[in-house]
Amino acid sequence: DAGVIQSPRHEVTEMGQEVTLRCKPISGHNSLFWYRQTMMRGLELLIYFNNNVPIDDSGMPEDRFSAKMPNASFSTLKIQPSEPRDSAVYFCASSLPLVVGYTFGSGTRLTVV
Amino acid sequence: GESVGLHLPTLSVQEGDNSIINCAYSNSASDYFIWYKQESGKGPQFIIDIRSNMDKRQGQRVTVLLNKTVKHLSLQIAATQPGDSAVYFCAENQDGGATNKLIFGTGTLLAVQP
Repeated sequence: DAGVIQSPRHEVTEMGQEVTLRCKPISGHNSLFWYRQTMMRGLELLIYFNNNVPIDDSGMPEDRFSAKMPNASFSTLKIQPSEPRDSAVYFCASSLPLVVGYTFGSGTRLTVV
Repeated sequence: GESVGLHLPTLSVQEGDNSIINCAYSNSASDYFIWYKQESGKGPQFIIDIRSNMDKRQGQRVTVLLNKTVKHLSLQIAATQPGDSAVYFCAENQDGGATNKLIFGTGTLLAVQP
């Protein structure tokens, strides 16, 4: 099992540009989570999906952030336009149905300059 | 507000000693807790979990203790090794399993001195 796969591993972009982060969950996992990690706030849940449907997006900071899950094997987190304060490590995680205990990907380190 | 917090941001121990990492939680409705280990440059990795109907659970070299009276959780690592150096997070499920959403604490850095 390849685990949760995120891409890219690192992203450096200029303020105002659109950024798209990608995630492939573990096959068979139908819950998918996007977290953001910073030194100031730690691990924050942004949004999560069950069966490709967004269940709770209350953690999404603002309208500049959007997430989609078009099918069971792929999700994206988009920031448009990006700002320096969006700089963080973004993690995707997945789990089996109703199982509380995720498998995390290796994260995408985003730097907005 | 409801949150998970840690008492010690950094813990330094000698190799071979036992480590104890603490976590306080504030939501009395939380009934499931997990400890994660995060090594530098990697995502958090599941270590051990415990449900609220238990007060102790043991794994390989790790033990989690839960004190619901004072809303306190601890992770004990026996015979700490250099490979245990990482940030450790406690996480809780706050809605009784209605969802599989986890809220994470702020983390404790464990530094193992050789």
